[in-house]
Order: sequence, then structure tokens, then C-alpha cells
Amino acid sequence: ETGVTQSPTHLIKTRGQQVTLRCSSQSGHNTVSWYQQALGQGPQFIFQYYREEENGRGNFPPRFSGLQFPNYSSELNVNALELDDSALYLCASNTGGEETQYFGPGTRLLVL
Amino acid sequence: AQRVTQPEKLLSVFKGAPVELKCNYSYSGSPELFWYVQYSRQRLQLLLRHISRESIKGFTADLNKGETSFHLKKPFAQEEDSAMYYCALRWRTGNQFYFGTGTSLTVIP
Repeated sequence: ETGVTQSPTHLIKTRGQQVTLRCSSQSGHNTVSWYQQALGQGPQFIFQYYREEENGRGNFPPRFSGLQFPNYSSELNVNALELDDSALYLCASNTGGEETQYFGPGTRLLVL
Repeated sequence: AQRVTQPEKLLSVFKGAPVELKCNYSYSGSPELFWYVQYSRQRLQLLLRHISRESIKGFTADLNKGETSFHLKKPFAQEEDSAMYYCALRWRTGNQFYFGTGTSLTVIP
């Protein structure tokens, strides 16, 4: 059984650019959630995907979008990057009926 | 609106002393509450959940609906308990989780 993996581990972008972050779910998990964790804060829920459909969204603007693929891997896309988007982005996977989420190590994004 | 509040950002206790990490929540309906822990250089992981009413690594947490609290307790702290602890509430509709800002626990030898 493999754990949740994320890529890249870190990256630097400039304001206005677009970024794509990737997540590979734990084997057998069909649900993935994305979180933004700013420095000194707890994870903030961005959205969740279940079987390739969005299944809930937090208070984030539409420039945050996502995809889930048939193999249950997932992408988080952020357009028109702003300085405040600098944060650690976490993905977490679970099976549809299980509350326990398994977190990846995160991608640290810096927007200059 | 803040759904989960952890009033202490930092907490230090001596080894062998009792420890309590506070968590208060606001939610209309029956909440599902969790404690997550992040040890140094490790990823966030589930510690315990109120539904299971279990004790993990000596930690327990009781849901108090009257006080809307879910405090994490351990009678005798150990050095390996030093970590970042997050309280989380699961919003049943949409399976969303809301996390508090976390408490950094340091157990002094």
C-alpha cells in the first residue's frame, strides 16, 4: 500500500502566473481533498473530489480549480496567482465512507 | 465564521505532568470532531476521533456538547508527545473538514 504523494515539493512563481499542483491518492481511495495552510494557520479546506466530481468547496475564489482523474490522482490549479497564495498546499485522500483522511507531505508555493 | 478555536498557540509542560489541549467549536447539529497531530518533519496524521471513544498513545478527548468543547488530555506527558496538534470538525454536508489554528506542544524533559 502506497501513501499519498504530492509534486512538486516546492516551487516559486511570480504574481499573475498559473500553477498546477499534483496529488497521487493512497491506493484504493476515491476521495481527495485539497487544503491551503498559510504560515501559522491550520489547513483551510479548498475543495473535495469524489469519483471525479467536485463534492464540496470551501471559501476560495473560482481561480482555484481542480480535477480528479479515473485513477483518482488529482490536480489543483491556481490562476492569476497573488502574493497571499503563498502557502503549503496539502492533499488528503480517503475512501468515500471513511472519515479518516491520509495527508500528503504538501507542496510549498511561494509567490513573488 | 470560525468553526474551530484552539486558544493556545503554544503550550509547554514538564515530562510526567498532565496536559490538556483546548478545542472549542461552533456548529449547529451533531458534530464530528477529530484531533490530528504533526510530529517534526512528518505529515499530518489522525490521532483520534470522538466517534471511536478511543485512547491513542494515552490521549483521550471527550465531546462536551454543552460547552461545545473537545479538549485533548493526557495524564502523563512524554517527550515524544512534542508536536503540533490540530482540532478538526467534519461538516457532514459535503464531507468538509475545518481545522483550528493548532497548538504547538513542547514537553520539557
